[in-house]
Order: sequence, then C-alpha cells, then structure tokens
Amino acid sequence: DTEVTQTPKHLVMGMTNKKSLKCEQHMGHRAMYWYKQKAKKPPELMFVYSYEKLSINESVPSRFSPECPNSSLLNLHLHALQPEDSALYLCASSQESGVNEQFFGPGTRLTVL
Amino acid sequence: DAKTTQPTSMDCAEGRAANLPCNHSTISGNEYVYWYRQIHSQGPQYIIHGLKNNETNEMASLIITEDRKSSTLILPHATLRDTAVYYCIGFSNTGNQFYFGTGTSLTVIP
Repeated sequence: DTEVTQTPKHLVMGMTNKKSLKCEQHMGHRAMYWYKQKAKKPPELMFVYSYEKLSINESVPSRFSPECPNSSLLNLHLHALQPEDSALYLCASSQESGVNEQFFGPGTRLTVL
Repeated sequence: DAKTTQPTSMDCAEGRAANLPCNHSTISGNEYVYWYRQIHSQGPQYIIHGLKNNETNEMASLIITEDRKSSTLILPHATLRDTAVYYCIGFSNTGNQFYFGTGTSLTVIP
C-alpha cells in the first residue's frame, strides 16, 4: 500500500466552527507533514512530525493545531479560521524525515465562509 | 536549502522530449535536487532525485551539470497526461523539509 489518504475531500466551514482534517498512511513511514497550498501557488510547509513528535512548526497560527495520535495517523484541528485560510491542505509522509521521497495525499479542499 | 529558479511555463509537442531546466546556483555540496510534479487538483507526485550523477528511472531522466548549479529534467516522450506543474527542489540531508519553488507549468500540445 503506497497511498496516503486524506478525509474529507472537501470541507466548508464557518469562522466559528471546529473541524478536523485526517490523514492516514500504512507504509510504515515515521515522518508526516502538513502543507497548505493556495490557488496557483506552490505548497507551503506547515508542520513536520517525526516519530510522532512535532519537529517543525513553520510559525503557523494557533488556530491550526496538529496532532499525531500514532505513527499512521495525522490530524489537523481547525478552529476560528479566517476566509484567507481557504486552501488545499496536503498531507505527506516519508520513511524518515530528511532525504527521503515524500508521498502526498490528494488533499482536502477547505473553504472558510 | 538552495533557492531554485525555473521558467514559469513551457509547451511541448506530444511525443517529443520535454526538457525542463532548473537553476540552483546556491546549492551546497550535500543538497540533493528533487523533482516533483503536480497535476491539476492532485497532490504532488515524486519524479526523481539526484546528488551529482545523472539519474534515470521509468518516468524521467535527470541531468545535473558538473558544477551542480543547474539541472534538467527530461521526459523522453511527453504525453498529454504529462501536462502539470513541475517543481525543482533543493533539499539538504541535514534538513527535513521541502521548500517548493514556483515551478514550471508544462503544457503538452497534441
């Protein structure tokens, strides 16, 4: 299984809602990543987890809260988002952090009203 | 990690080789060059990577200049399904994150 899955595919939420994005991989990878991608822009790194510990937070606002409950799962909890947070949220995993091919999921298209 | 520079867009005739250049003049000795592509509305897909030597796999070839300041991704026989944005990324083996550049939007024309 060389797939990273993300749910939901699409999400529409209001600014007062709390929602979560989910990412899963069963490749035994020990590094997992969240990226944010605005339209016609490259993906921007948000968070890196290595061995279930947060190793990089790229100065992401606290309204985005990542969680890695186990080595296969990565969540992104969303609260009090702004319309400018509307974007494609991509999850990726790699065998280890460092020089390793990253496998990306298809992304969750988030719209904040 | 090295900053990379790529042309904004390119066209290629179907069946011909697509040669996508990347400039990474600030690359350091331990930084790999990675190539990914992103087909519209999908997640990025790994293509190939290299350090010094030229590399080839079933998808593409990667030619890295001897001074390592630039590289070229070659898709030997482009098809319409190769239409995508292609990202060249410099990645250090002491770092653990990718910084994507702006990429090249390749359009394969029938």
